[in-house]
Amino acid sequence: DVKVTQSSRYLVKRTGEKVFLECVQDMDHENMFWYRQDPGLGLRLIYFSYDVKMKEKGDIPEGYSVSREKKERFSLILESASTNQTSMYLCASSPVNGEGGDTQYFGPGTRLTVL
Amino acid sequence: GQNIDQPTEMTATEGAIVQINCTYQTSGFNGLFWYQQHAGEAPTFLSYNVLDGLEEKGRFSSFLSRSKGYSYLLLKELQMKDSASYLCAWTGSGGYNKLIFGAGTRLAVHP
Repeated sequence: DVKVTQSSRYLVKRTGEKVFLECVQDMDHENMFWYRQDPGLGLRLIYFSYDVKMKEKGDIPEGYSVSREKKERFSLILESASTNQTSMYLCASSPVNGEGGDTQYFGPGTRLTVL
Repeated sequence: GQNIDQPTEMTATEGAIVQINCTYQTSGFNGLFWYQQHAGEAPTFLSYNVLDGLEEKGRFSSFLSRSKGYSYLLLKELQMKDSASYLCAWTGSGGYNKLIFGAGTRLAVHP
């Protein structure tokens, strides 16, 4: 079974703080993704990575950065948290050229509140 | 969602059949996914269609028409535990397996 874990289920931070969200997958997947999910907007891609130390911007990268130093770990960083970054953050991983169209497997999510 | 549309909410009765539709842009289309997401939980994979036609998997089936940019998820013999959001997502041919998600359809199953 694929397992994707995220460091926290719930997080409360203050405006201006630096925030780290960690994601770890145990299936040796090449691709990893960070999304945020907001009511009525669905999942929106922030950043993704297709290999160690490689990253690509998604649809809404502003205010975020990422780090992938090891294949199994993909970190999302909010350099200076703002209230409009209050959201559910979901990490996902997928193989390359795997079965089922390179299905993405999701972690449980981190609900971040920025006060 | 970006260039992908599905109804916001649907209701149905336990034991019934429900069809959730999804339309998407056809340019650069490669395949279509359906995910189920219970409140407060992660999305879980249901189905993937790349060819036209119906794929059946137990009580759930998914249909794709590439020429019409249309898919649906069919849920039969509805159970209370099927109350969840159903996310439609398409993947393009641009590589890296990026998915474009719809906003999701919230299904409520009543006794």
